[in-house]
Amino acid sequence: EPEVTQTPSHQVTQMGQEVILRCVPISNHLYFYWYRQILGQKVEFLVSFYNNEISEKSEIFDDQFSVERPDGSNFTLKIRSTKLEDSAMYFCASTLSPVSGADYRGEQFFGPGTRLTVL
Amino acid sequence: KNEVEQSPQNLTAQEGEFITINCSYSVGISALHWLQQHPGGGIVSLFMLSSGKKKHGRLIATINIQEKHSSLHITASHPRDSAVYICAVRRRAQFYFGTGTSLTVIP
Repeated sequence: EPEVTQTPSHQVTQMGQEVILRCVPISNHLYFYWYRQILGQKVEFLVSFYNNEISEKSEIFDDQFSVERPDGSNFTLKIRSTKLEDSAMYFCASTLSPVSGADYRGEQFFGPGTRLTVL
Repeated sequence: KNEVEQSPQNLTAQEGEFITINCSYSVGISALHWLQQHPGGGIVSLFMLSSGKKKHGRLIATINIQEKHSSLHITASHPRDSAVYICAVRRRAQFYFGTGTSLTVIP
């Protein structure tokens, strides 16, 4: 069964360092998402991406964050200068069609997450 | 301010019981999603609803747009249903998530 993969599973970094979180969405999916979940808190939407462009982003997704699809398979989230409060689990997800589309079947496939710890 | 409220926060049930988890939201939405988060952290999408009712196996999800309310029902609950169930709504460019309902089903 196809699945979304994420690497690394756990990343530890020093405050101020840049990190890149990697995701490999399901191969025929077209829409990609990043979410984060601070420990003990709710999931928060960061950004959605389609056709090599950001479709939507939340207030959390400020200039410190960027996303990229550098090749046909990877989808990355970069945090330029990490802060302590960036420590969280980061989930990538993908869908074949947009979550708002009339033909959307409801299934957003999530990766297992990357736990980011900023020291 | 929480755009999405879930109840109860925690729920313990005996195997076989019928379970209901509620979600209320305060904003106009395009769609509502129910997600399941396993103890290890992995998230699985269960349903997307924009109206009416959907059923998948022992899971049933309903939504009342006028009342801004959705329910997730689990029939004949089983210990493997133990997880956190999360309600999320999409409004324009934003997704808003509830804090989740932690369900424990005891054999």
